[in-house]
Amino acid sequence: GNSVTQMEGPVTLSEEAFLTINCTYTATGYPSLFWYVQYPGEGLQLLLKATKADDKGSNKGFEATYRKETTSFHLEKGSVQVSDSAVYFCALSLNQAGTALIFGKGTTLSVSS
Amino acid sequence: DTGVSQNPRHKITKRGQNVTFRCDPISEHNRLYWYRQTLGQGPEFLTYFQNEAQLEKSRLLSDRFSAERPKGSFSTLEIQRTEQGDSAMYLCASSFLQGSNTEAFFGQGTRLTVV
Repeated sequence: GNSVTQMEGPVTLSEEAFLTINCTYTATGYPSLFWYVQYPGEGLQLLLKATKADDKGSNKGFEATYRKETTSFHLEKGSVQVSDSAVYFCALSLNQAGTALIFGKGTTLSVSS
Repeated sequence: DTGVSQNPRHKITKRGQNVTFRCDPISEHNRLYWYRQTLGQGPEFLTYFQNEAQLEKSRLLSDRFSAERPKGSFSTLEIQRTEQGDSAMYLCASSFLQGSNTEAFFGQGTRLTVV
């Protein structure tokens, strides 16, 4: 079946540290891949996406590259800030009519100053 | 604010009671999704509509759950004879289907507690 696996958290970093959150997927067909972020007390927000192999999604200093050969979409940021503290969800959507997002379990990031 | 709106934000109910949640999507979006999220888990798909037609239902959506989108605008999710296991955050999302674009925008959710 289709699924997303994320590294378990929590991830605790100091400000300006490098961040990697691993995400791998299993899918039939050719999915689009997403990272969503949930800040405390807020709804899920799309952070970035990639729709085909080798695409790189980027936003707010975060990046993730769609790697078909390793079925991965790892999230990276070179220098995290306290304001990046949130829960990050990797997700996929099959590029077919009528398919919804399939999410990983989420990874909590806590950044301290 | 023209984002996805969900009401109520919180609902506490006694086991066995019925509850209904409402979702108002972004106005031009033709797709509307319901998800359920329990503590420590990612959102799980429940059902989705394209305009007023309910096109897919997850196996998670038991017979006690029903969703409607009567005019292709707002949607309601009803849970009958609630059980403690129904306690969760219920999320609504909407999107505009264009080609393969499936970017969804989420509401803040309705947190249900069944006591």
